[in-house]
Amino acid sequence: GQQVMQIPQYQHVQEGEDFTTYCNSSTTLSNIQWYKQRPGGHPVFLIQLVKSGEVKKQKRLTFQFGEAKKNSSLHITATQTTDVGTYFCAPQGGNTPLVFGKGTRLSVIA
Amino acid sequence: KAGVTQTPRYLIKTRGQQVTLSCSPISGHRSVSWYQQTPGQGLQFLFEYFSETQRNKGNFPGRFSGRQFSNSRSEMNVSTLELGDSALYLCASSLGNNDREKLFFGSGTQLSVL
Repeated sequence: GQQVMQIPQYQHVQEGEDFTTYCNSSTTLSNIQWYKQRPGGHPVFLIQLVKSGEVKKQKRLTFQFGEAKKNSSLHITATQTTDVGTYFCAPQGGNTPLVFGKGTRLSVIA
Repeated sequence: KAGVTQTPRYLIKTRGQQVTLSCSPISGHRSVSWYQQTPGQGLQFLFEYFSETQRNKGNFPGRFSGRQFSNSRSEMNVSTLELGDSALYLCASSLGNNDREKLFFGSGTQLSVL
């Protein structure tokens, strides 16, 4: 499976601030998925990016796939306490199992 | 549609024992993947089963094994438990037809080895 570096590992923000997590690979990816895991919960699928340079939005969340398909980012605008959790990227290189990054744990201080 | 069901929810074992975890996928899903989640290592892939065959395997010792039944339900077995096996074990299901499908996770089995 693909290996990726996800940064930062932890992020503490004040409610209303923006948040970004990055997922970087040394090899070209076929596609990348993002998941969110709330404290005490299980990972839940957020989105999949397939095309080079793709940008997708879900309300306050913006997902990007790099032009070279080697990196991706998730940006949250004006964080809320409901955004608390760990965000995982899960890249795929084609016909390989989904391997998850170590995740970015987001804390939001009200 | 019912979600992915994992049993038991919690388990306490002692070193040297063995354990079997169960996972029932979403109806119609033929692929079941297992992951081990620990605070330090994140989500680590154990193996994937599709149509009763192991299709992919992660980098875990042979003490970790699994199987899948004809109804797509899957079991994971860990023999000779070690303290380091304490973790949340998650299973996830998908249709299994291609590598661009999203995974649906169960709530996991929290295993504590004493």
